Amino acid sequence: NAGVTQTPKFQVLKTGQSMTLQCAQDMNHEYMSWYRQDPGMGLRLIHYSVGAGITDQGEVPNGYNVSRSTTEDFPLRLLSAAPSQTSVYFCASWTGRAEAFFGQGTRLTVV
Amino acid sequence: GDSVTQMEGPVTLSEEAFLTINCTYTATGYPSLFWYVQYPGEGLQLLLKATKADDKGSNKGFEATYRKETTSFHLEKGSVQVSDSAVYFCALSSRRGGGGADGLTFGKGTHLIIQP
Repeated sequence: NAGVTQTPKFQVLKTGQSMTLQCAQDMNHEYMSWYRQDPGMGLRLIHYSVGAGITDQGEVPNGYNVSRSTTEDFPLRLLSAAPSQTSVYFCASWTGRAEAFFGQGTRLTVV
Repeated sequence: GDSVTQMEGPVTLSEEAFLTINCTYTATGYPSLFWYVQYPGEGLQLLLKATKADDKGSNKGFEATYRKETTSFHLEKGSVQVSDSAVYFCALSSRRGGGGADGLTFGKGTHLIIQP
């Protein structure tokens, strides 16, 4: 099983550019989330989804958009990248009652 | 809101030493508790979990007991190895409505360094 697949693994953006971080899972999980990991801050929830067509904001949603058109995919969009969005981004999926499965992460640098 | 507090790192130990990483939580209801491990350059992997009070999770020699009276879930291992060097995250999943709908709440992580 592939589990949770994130692409790309690394990305460098210029301030103001836009991009989409891709996340796909093949476990038919209802719940999916995006987190960012920063030194000394742990993981912080950006957005989450409880099923296709349903999304909600987490702790740090500003500057990010999401959509969930299928159960499998949950892309994260940066509309206008800022240096403060330099981070490692993780996508996770789970059933809501057991453990979450994480992707390998996307390391994003905004210059 | 929910929160998880774990000891700050880095924690440096010698091989075969006893390990304790403290974790306490604040949550409404009856959360599930988890320890995740992140090896360098990788994503998070579940290490162990407990879903109700007094449950003990265990895996790879690590153990943690869900203590509702002290709202704690401390991670322990009797004899650590160099290969245990990683970042360890304590986390909880609240059960509201559909269960965990607002995602996992993580502690800030503890960087563990094991020296030969």
